[in-house]
Amino acid sequence: EAGVTQSPTHLIKTRGQQATLRCSPISGHTSVYWYQQALGLGLQFLLWYDEGEERNRGNFPPRFSGRQFPNYSSELNVNALELEDSALYLCASSRTGTSRNTGELFFGEGSRLTVL
Amino acid sequence: RKEVEQDPGPFNVPEGATVAFNCTYSNSASQSFFWYRQDCRKEPKLLMSVYSSGNEDGRFTAQLNRASQYISLLIRDSKLSDSATYLCVAGRQTGANNLFFGTGTRLTVIP
Repeated sequence: EAGVTQSPTHLIKTRGQQATLRCSPISGHTSVYWYQQALGLGLQFLLWYDEGEERNRGNFPPRFSGRQFPNYSSELNVNALELEDSALYLCASSRTGTSRNTGELFFGEGSRLTVL
Repeated sequence: RKEVEQDPGPFNVPEGATVAFNCTYSNSASQSFFWYRQDCRKEPKLLMSVYSSGNEDGRFTAQLNRASQYISLLIRDSKLSDSATYLCVAGRQTGANNLFFGTGTRLTVIP
């Protein structure tokens, strides 16, 4: 069974540009989560999508946005890039519904964004 | 104040040693707790869930102290392959929603 896949693996942008990152969850998982992992800061929660809807977002500015498609894949968009947006962006998926949700997140290998 | 705080380490221990990590969480309403493991340049993976009664998985033992709001992980008989960063996680709801990750504790097991 394929795990969570993310693309691109690496992305280099300049300040002010826009970045789009993509994620495909494990088959059968309908929840997708986005996290930012910056050096020394740990994983910071960005967004949670479930069944095509944004369910929760972390403490990030509106220039971080995303969506979930009918096939449950997701994309994260970061507009007006700033130098401090340089980080590893991790996507994770889980089964939806508390009763079926053990709390385990399955992470992709991440997309490393560098802003110059 | 961070939702979850951990000692970043690094912890450098010889093979066969026992090592313990603690972490604290600030939200008393947290309901779910986990330890994740992240190898260098890899994605985090669930190591074990943490239950109120404590739980053990082979050489790994996790404990939860709700009164003091801390979570611990004990690794016995350390192996070289245990070298990794261990992430403490607390959730405000049961399940995978609203999980807060600590910055991780780095462990290096030395031959």
